Formats: sequence, structure tokens, C-alpha cells
Amino acid sequence: DSGVTQTPKHLITATGQRVTLRCSPRSGDLSVYWYQQSLDQGLQFLIQYYNGEERAKGNILERFSAQQFPDLHSELNLSSLELGDSALYFCASSPYEGATYEQYFGPGTRLTVT
Amino acid sequence: GNSVTQMEGPVTLSEEAFLTINCTYTATGYPSLFWYVQYPGEGLQLLLKATKADDKGSNKGFEATYRKETTSFHLEKGSVQVSDSAVYFCALTHTGNQFYFGTGTSLTVIP
Repeated sequence: DSGVTQTPKHLITATGQRVTLRCSPRSGDLSVYWYQQSLDQGLQFLIQYYNGEERAKGNILERFSAQQFPDLHSELNLSSLELGDSALYFCASSPYEGATYEQYFGPGTRLTVT
Repeated sequence: GNSVTQMEGPVTLSEEAFLTINCTYTATGYPSLFWYVQYPGEGLQLLLKATKADDKGSNKGFEATYRKETTSFHLEKGSVQVSDSAVYFCALTHTGNQFYFGTGTSLTVIP
């Protein structure tokens, strides 16, 4: 158990809908990272927040957005969902801002868009 | 741009065999390099890392050496166990905190 929690574990929704994925980092960790893992695109870095501020952006679509709240939990919002958004979404946390430090991954949220 | 290429899987080995999973990278400057492991049904875990050329990362019997001249970071283990069965990801990070992962190599170790 990494100490990172993600909810929900599974999510099934229809095309065009909007969903919110939630991540609670390990106690004391200030950085949160979001990743998408799909069969065709592999593991892709989406975005990083550190202490409430966006720090790095990867291959995140404009339909997706994220934020980190004062209590350090983070939410990833996915809107206008398409079939291709079906994937496993991981968050990871780290005590520090720099990406060279170990990241602790949550168990993931499996999103299925029908 | 930055990218990571790792050997295609799946890889099947007998217990106690020698393991090599190749990883090469493309990046300007001096990225940091990582191997992550994903056990079935779980998130990724850091296996080892190296942050500068010629550094050797090691953990749980696994090793990888950061080779700037060949832009490689191959993962090796001298004697694999059934419990090593997992998917292994090579990754790099560079300025700006972005992470780039390889496609993953599935390893199955049979008794």
C-alpha cells in the first residue's frame, strides 16, 4: 500500500459526459502527478501540481483539467468524453517538487466510456 | 524531443535465468533515468534510478547503468524469481518535470 488513495476504483460512463477523478496523496506529500495508461498509447504523463500550483504539463487534452486543493488532494476532470478516453488513470505523489524524487502511485481509476 | 524506447515483450524466462531488458533514450542534455515496475492489479513502483552519467541504480537484485555514450539504461538481474513477474517501464525526466515512459515490457518467470 503506497498510501495514495484514488476514488472511484471503476467508472463507467457514456460518451459526451463529464467525470471527476479524485486523488489523496500520502500524508505530507506536496506534489501530485496524473497519468493516463491505455493500451494504444501506453503510459502518458498528464500534469503535475505542487502545493496547489500547476508545475508541469504533459499530453493533457484541453477537455481535461485538474486542480489541487488546499488540503492537497487533487481532482482530474474529464469532459466531453470520447471512447478513446477509456483508460486507467493513475495519480502519484511525492514530498518534493522535482521529478527526480520517487513518486508513490495510487491503485488507479479505471474509466470505461461506452 | 524526449522519448524512451524499450524492448518489446513479452519476455518469458525460467526461474534463476539472467534478465536483460533494453532501454534507450533520446533527450538533450542530461536527463534522469528510472525503472518502474507494475505488478498485476497495482500501480507503479520505483525500482531504481540514476540521475547522472555512469551512475548505477540498484535495488532488489536489479541493476541499471546510465550510459551517456550509448544513451542506454538497460535493466539486468542475475537470477530472476517467479515473484519478479510484472511489467517493467523505463522512463526519463528532464527539465520541466515532465515524465516520458517506454511502452513497458511484460516479464513472466516460470518455475
